[in-house]
Amino acid sequence: DAGVIQSPRHEVTEMGQEVTLRCKPISGHNSLFWYRQTMMRGLELLIYFNNNVPIDDSGMPEDRFSAKMPNASFSTLKIQPSEPRDSAVYFCASSPTTVTDTQYFGPGTRLTVL
Amino acid sequence: AQTVTQSQPEMSVQEAETVTLSCTYDTSESDYYLFWYKQPPSRQMILVIRQEAYKQQNATENRFSVNFQKAAKSFSLKISDSQLGDAAMYFCAYRRLYNNNDMRFGAGTRLTVKP
Repeated sequence: DAGVIQSPRHEVTEMGQEVTLRCKPISGHNSLFWYRQTMMRGLELLIYFNNNVPIDDSGMPEDRFSAKMPNASFSTLKIQPSEPRDSAVYFCASSPTTVTDTQYFGPGTRLTVL
Repeated sequence: AQTVTQSQPEMSVQEAETVTLSCTYDTSESDYYLFWYKQPPSRQMILVIRQEAYKQQNATENRFSVNFQKAAKSFSLKISDSQLGDAAMYFCAYRRLYNNNDMRFGAGTRLTVKP
């Protein structure tokens, strides 16, 4: 079975540009999570969807960040405009239910904003 | 707030030997989950092992086992017969029982395996 799929694996962009990260969760999973990993702050939850609906976006750092999940098999995380401090590895994870199940992570997208 | 502490930024082990990675956590909850994730250089976060707090028996997955001490809020990972492929960052994580969106991760321990 395919795991969580993320694209692109690497993204290099210039400050001010729009960046879109993509995620395809494991088929049948109802919950989707976006995380950011930096050396300074470790792994942080940005936003969490359940059945395509955003449930908790309290981790989204500011209005420049937005996330959507138009259907059960696709989600995007957009940064507009991007800034150098957004440079990080962004992970998408999915899990079968909201209550007891383990989160399975994608390979991550390494974002570099110059 | 729940916090997870990994006090060993780096650890090293000889191939075929055993190593133990430490993790402590702080919580007022009685039921929760604990996890160990492995992150190799590929950056993929791979679930190694999971422990339910209401289970007294320590979880085991092949060469990986945990020592779960609930009263001490300690959750260490033991890797037996270490292999070169075990070299990675290891993250301990805590999650409340009914809050899948509240996973807290430790800072990680970088494990080096020497041939």
